[in-house]
Formats: sequence, C-alpha cells, structure tokens
Amino acid sequence: SYEMTQPLSLSVALGQTARITCEGSNIGVKIVKWYQQKPGQAPVLVIYRDTNRPSGIPERFSGSKSGNTATLTISRAQAGDEADYYCQTYDSSPPNYVFGSGTKVTVL
Amino acid sequence: QVQLVQSGAEVKKPGALVKVSCKASGYRFTSYDIHWVRQATGQRPEWMAWMNPDSGNTGFSQKFQGRVTMTRNTSISTAYMELRSLTSEDTAVYYCAIIWNVYEDAFDFWGQGTMVTVSS
Repeated sequence: SYEMTQPLSLSVALGQTARITCEGSNIGVKIVKWYQQKPGQAPVLVIYRDTNRPSGIPERFSGSKSGNTATLTISRAQAGDEADYYCQTYDSSPPNYVFGSGTKVTVL
Repeated sequence: QVQLVQSGAEVKKPGALVKVSCKASGYRFTSYDIHWVRQATGQRPEWMAWMNPDSGNTGFSQKFQGRVTMTRNTSISTAYMELRSLTSEDTAVYYCAIIWNVYEDAFDFWGQGTMVTVSS
C-alpha cells in the first residue's frame, strides 16, 4: 500500500518560513492535498491539487512538488499556524485515500 | 451553509458494534458521497469507506472490508456507519466528510467527530 512520510515535528520562529515535506514513491504522478488540524478539531483543507489554495486560506500557505517530495510552505508564520499538518493523496491499488504521517508545527 | 453533524460519544465493550450517524444539511444530501475517516489519538487520519447516498453504492478500505456497514435515510439526510467486532484498536474519533468540489478532489467538509472508546 502507498506510504507518505513526513517529519514528525518542525519549529519555526514567528514571522519566518516553515517548509513541511511529504515523501512518497512516484508522488510526482499523484495529486497531493494538505490539511491543517488543530487540537480537538477536524482537519481543514489548506492546499488541493498540489498547489492550489481553497477560498479563505491565506496566501501565506503554498504548495509545491518536485521529484518524490511534495512541500507545504507557510510564510510569515503566525501563532495561529501551530497545528498538525497532513499530506494526502488517493491510491487506486488498492483504492485508498492515504494520509501522510503528519507534522506537528510549533511557532516559537 | 454545509453542515455535517454527528452523533455523540460512545463507549463500547470489546466484541460489540457501534453505529455512528452523520446528519447533513445545507445541500442536497443525495448529491455527494459520504466518506468515513477515523483518527486514533496522536495518529494520522485513516480513511475507512464511502457511500453514495443516492444509489447506496459503497467502497471500502481493504482494512475495513467486511467489518463496516454503511446505510442512509434520505428522508432525514442522515448517513450511518456501523463498525462490528470492536477491539481496543478501534478507539478513535470517527469523522464523516464529503468531497464537495470534484476538481479539488479533497475532503472539503467534515463532521465534528464522534469519539468511540472501546474498553472492557
């Protein structure tokens, strides 16, 4: 089954840039989404189709993909960005909506 | 506005079954597949299954095939997920979710989650 691996945790200084990676085999041919999840809440979509932001998501959030790695970048990090972040894709064999291992982001 | 409201927390004994409901509002219930995703504490979300509320067609993660049943009552816009033969490893928050925008192909709306605890 398909696996997506993320760093367990990441710290970023207030106002600086955080880059969260998501590695997976042949991820270049996958469509990657990113979710933000705060404690006690359901996940919230922040990036779809690798690089697109849903309406209402700040421009500070951006997505990219290169080789076997997808990246979520949070620019000008704010205290409110502290959360767990998960990448996600769909794998057809067997059918499964796969989530990455998750990264806890701390804003210092 | 789209809302998915789930039933309350459950405590079950090992071997029992649990049935979680998800009441939809703010859109035509039969127009969007309902997905079920669970998340154990400190773990990543885990997709379980989907159901088309119009046709009743379903699809399952291999992990849950044979242990999950999904039903719906279209008259009250409510979907149900039943999980059988519970073990402690089924302790998790269970979410219903929908993919609203086919182009986005992502889980756009989520229920608030239902905590299911399996304990003897």
